[in-house]
Amino acid sequence: GDSVTQMEGPVTLSEEAFLTINCTYTATGYPSLFWYVQYPGEGLQLLLKATKADDKGSNKGFEATYRKETTSFHLEKGSVQVSDSAVYFCALRYNTDKLIFGTGTRLQVFP
Amino acid sequence: EAGVTQFPSHSVIEKGQTVTLRCDPISGHDNLYWYRRVMGKEIKFLLHFVKESKQDESGMPNNRFLAERTGGTYSTLKVQPAELEDSGVYFCASSQVISSEAFFGQGTRLTVV
Repeated sequence: GDSVTQMEGPVTLSEEAFLTINCTYTATGYPSLFWYVQYPGEGLQLLLKATKADDKGSNKGFEATYRKETTSFHLEKGSVQVSDSAVYFCALRYNTDKLIFGTGTRLQVFP
Repeated sequence: EAGVTQFPSHSVIEKGQTVTLRCDPISGHDNLYWYRRVMGKEIKFLLHFVKESKQDESGMPNNRFLAERTGGTYSTLKVQPAELEDSGVYFCASSQVISSEAFFGQGTRLTVV
């Protein structure tokens, strides 16, 4: 079945470091891909999304490109801040179906 | 406008007891979803309501779980009797139409001891 695999955390970085959180997926069709973020004490928030191959989603300095050839949707940010510390979830979804999530990756950014 | 609200935020119960979780979706959102994250693993789909009807309940783990959405407004998820493996964070989400963005609540952390 369809699934999402994320890199294990926690990812620990110093402020202003470059961030990559890897996400790969297995899908029988052509889903939309998402990154959700959960800040401490808050609910899940949609961070960015891409609906088709080669689309790039971006928001708050984060980017991810839908790579069909490598079945990947890696999350990147050029310079992280302490306020980016959170748990990040990669997910896929077909048009009218449920979200399928990865296990989440905790990011800790230190000043 | 209020977001998706879940009650309680935390619940600690003993094995064998009953717990009821509540979700108030965003007003006007016909679609309501329940998800669960167990033991730091992936967030898994439980079920989907469209108004008061269960559209998809393929993710419900067993018959100890009962979800309702009377009147198509708020929803409850009852676990009876609770088992240790039911511990986790239960998320509720709602969306206006089935293909639009789903907005999530803060989650209910359930601990069964």
